[in-house]
Amino acid sequence: QSVLTQPPSVSGAPGQRVTISCTGSSSNIGTGYDVHWYQQIPGTAPKVLIYVNNNRPSGVPDRFSASKSGTSASLAITGLQAEDEADYYCQSYDSRLSGYVFGTGTKVTVL
Amino acid sequence: QVQLQESGPGLLKPSETLSVTCTVSGGSISGYYWSWIRQPPGKGLEWIGYIYYSGSTNYNPSLKSRVTLSVDTSKNQASLKLYSVTSADTAFYYCARSGIAVAGFFDYWGQGSLVTVSS
Repeated sequence: QSVLTQPPSVSGAPGQRVTISCTGSSSNIGTGYDVHWYQQIPGTAPKVLIYVNNNRPSGVPDRFSASKSGTSASLAITGLQAEDEADYYCQSYDSRLSGYVFGTGTKVTVL
Repeated sequence: QVQLQESGPGLLKPSETLSVTCTVSGGSISGYYWSWIRQPPGKGLEWIGYIYYSGSTNYNPSLKSRVTLSVDTSKNQASLKLYSVTSADTAFYYCARSGIAVAGFFDYWGQGSLVTVSS
């Protein structure tokens, strides 16, 4: 049961900018818990893309950025490339569940 | 480089117990939290629970009654047991590492172990 809501899909042409929203509530993102983002290429395990709101692990291009405000967060991909086709998940912590929660996931398609 | 490798049964019958082990190499299991996360084929991610290297645990309330996590520091392994499985438990089971208990992120993941529950 996902408590963080994401759009099922977003798409864009190469070079364009796309954004993915992650909507939570007062028991998770709204409490101030950090939001993290993962990229999952089909057939592989998720890998961390953005951690602690807007930090990129080494090797992740600066085309990826994220922000957080209130009970929501968002991931932006600028200069979209074919290799960005993947599923993206947000993740945070929920005080009501006393555990980790993931977003519903968004499939990014490069047209 | 830290690597995580899950090993599981592959196929189970309904009502059996799922048992998956995560072997950590290239680093120590000590000092970290080890989570189990599952993903039904074609669906999203669900956090099952975590275990600290010392043995303390935290479970997803929706699965708590059927899950037991354990750790063996001498073998650098973490293990998941899920009891009384049904077809709804068919999923890829991942182990993943985090550095803190609350609001952490998963910096290393295993490749996943697909467990299918079918009669």
